[in-house]
Amino acid sequence: DSGVTQTPKHLITATGQRVTLRCSPRSGDLSVYWYQQSLDQGLQFLIQYYNGEERAKGNILERFSAQQFPDLHSELNLSSLELGDSALYFCASSPPLRGAYNEQFFGPGTRLTVL
Amino acid sequence: GNSVTQMEGPVTLSEEAFLTINCTYTATGYPSLFWYVQYPGEGLQLLLKATKADDKGSNKGFEATYRKETTSFHLEKGSVQVSDSAVYFCALSVTGYALNFGKGTSLLVTP
Repeated sequence: DSGVTQTPKHLITATGQRVTLRCSPRSGDLSVYWYQQSLDQGLQFLIQYYNGEERAKGNILERFSAQQFPDLHSELNLSSLELGDSALYFCASSPPLRGAYNEQFFGPGTRLTVL
Repeated sequence: GNSVTQMEGPVTLSEEAFLTINCTYTATGYPSLFWYVQYPGEGLQLLLKATKADDKGSNKGFEATYRKETTSFHLEKGSVQVSDSAVYFCALSVTGYALNFGKGTSLLVTP
């Protein structure tokens, strides 16, 4: 158990709908990252927040957005869903950076199925 | 840009066989390198890491050496077990933040 929790575990919805994925980081971690894992694209970085502020953006679609709240939990919002958005969405957290490396701890993921 | 290329799977080995999973990278800057493992139905776990050239990361019998001259970080284990069956991801981080992952290599170890 990494200490990172994600809800829900599974989500089934229809095209055009909007969903919210939730992540609670490990105690003391200030950074939250979102990744998408799909069969064709592999594991891709979407976005990072640090202590409530957006820190870095990866291959995140405009239909997707995220935020980190004062209690440091984060939500990933996916709207106007398409079939191709079906994937595993992982959240990871890490402690404040020390030096060039900081380990990321991954949650169990949310499996999104768009029908 | 930054990218990681790792060998295609699946890799099927008998128990106690020697394992090598190749990983090469391209990076603008000086990356840290990682191997993550994903067991069925679970999230990713850090297996080992190396933050500078010639560093050797090791954990649970797995090893990988950061080779700057060949831009490689191959994963090895001398004797695999059935419990090592999983998907292995090579990854890099240049900024110290976001990870760039390879496509993953599925390993199946048979008794």
